[in-house]
Amino acid sequence: KAGVTQTPRYLIKTRGQQVTLSCSPISGHRSVSWYQQTPGQGLQFLFEYFSETQRNKGNFPGRFSGRQFSNSRSEMNVSTLELGDSALYLCASSSSGAGGRETQYFGPGTRLLVL
Amino acid sequence: AQTVTQSQPEMSVQEAETVTLSCTYDTSESDYYLFWYKQPPSRQMILVIRQEAYKQQNATENRFSVNFQKAAKSFSLKISDSQLGDAAMYFCAYRGAQKLVFGQGTRLTINP
Repeated sequence: KAGVTQTPRYLIKTRGQQVTLSCSPISGHRSVSWYQQTPGQGLQFLFEYFSETQRNKGNFPGRFSGRQFSNSRSEMNVSTLELGDSALYLCASSSSGAGGRETQYFGPGTRLLVL
Repeated sequence: AQTVTQSQPEMSVQEAETVTLSCTYDTSESDYYLFWYKQPPSRQMILVIRQEAYKQQNATENRFSVNFQKAAKSFSLKISDSQLGDAAMYFCAYRGAQKLVFGQGTRLTINP
């Protein structure tokens, strides 16, 4: 099976712009989670989707949003970008929603640089 | 809220030796999973090993094994016969009912 794919891999934006990141989970996986990774804060949970519904949400401002489509692909959007949004954004998929404790498999990430 | 603590920001080991990475966690949940993930310099996060909290037997995957002490809320990773390819950031993670929570990571260096 193909792994989790994320596009684009690298992105440069300026403050105030918005950005959309895409994630395609492993075939058959219905749950997608998003994480922000920075040197200072480490890995922080953004949100989790299962069957097009947001199941959990982390402590991020409303500028961060996401959605999941019927084919389980997911997008996350960040509006009004700030310098502090520069990070590696990781997407992870897991097989089902039962209990949510299944192993998550990660994509290569999207490196976002905000200037 | 659940927290995961990795007290060793950096570790180094000689090739072919054994190294143990520490992890402690705090939770009031009884049903949870624990994971060790590896993130090499290429940045792809890879699952190393996982442990279900209800299982008393420690998980093992080839050269990787864990020491799971549920009462002490400790979950250490032992890497035997260390190889150059083991060099990476290692993250301990907890998953309960809500979300995956990561520790701050341990950077492991392998000395040839």
